[in-house]
Amino acid sequence: SAVISQKPSRDICQRGTSLTIQCQVDSQVTMMFWYRQQPGQSLTLIATANQGSEATYESGFVIDKFPISRPNLTFSTLTVSNMSPEDSSIYLCSVDRGGQTEAFFGQGTRLTVV
Amino acid sequence: QKEVEQNSGPLSVPEGAIASLNCTYSDRGSQSFFWYRQYSGKSPELIMSIYSNGDKEDGRFTAQLNKASQYVSLLIRDSQPSDSATYLCAVKRAGGTSYGKLTFGQGTILTVHP
Repeated sequence: SAVISQKPSRDICQRGTSLTIQCQVDSQVTMMFWYRQQPGQSLTLIATANQGSEATYESGFVIDKFPISRPNLTFSTLTVSNMSPEDSSIYLCSVDRGGQTEAFFGQGTRLTVV
Repeated sequence: QKEVEQNSGPLSVPEGAIASLNCTYSDRGSQSFFWYRQYSGKSPELIMSIYSNGDKEDGRFTAQLNKASQYVSLLIRDSQPSDSATYLCAVKRAGGTSYGKLTFGQGTILTVHP
């Protein structure tokens, strides 16, 4: 397994502002992902954070709204930009070593936009 | 048709009973299958992974996979009130552009009552 530290754990933000969420892993991992969990819903993949290159976004998610950085194999950030109340969700960082291995999740960031 | 579909809940079982959770998936390229448990306000916690057809047992938990029927299930024996949570079925492809990505079912809420 991997120890994943995600912060902040929660935040309340004003609409129109941006929040950057950090994800730190205790060892190098091949793949890092960012998921969103809207209230009462399951997890939806936002993007794959690629080390040294631009993130790969899923349908319905765009870089201008959710810019992602991954400067090395142990760290990534997700920014939620120009927030609206609809962005109120839990955002989760996930790591996977590839192949037939399990994915593990950070503690999540509970975001409320007012 | 949803890519990953779980049996509708919520599911309520008495303490000591067997809880049966079911999941079907549509993508025949799926290679890895997972069950996560999520307590309210917490991030998903991996409880079982299965990669080959058949049964896999771990303590009170048994995962069953049938790739021909595109079906995966989780049995919880001797259910305890502490098992009350949302159970998420997740499926992963082995390669291609979806490499490493998890697709989640909508989740099944399980309540174990004393």
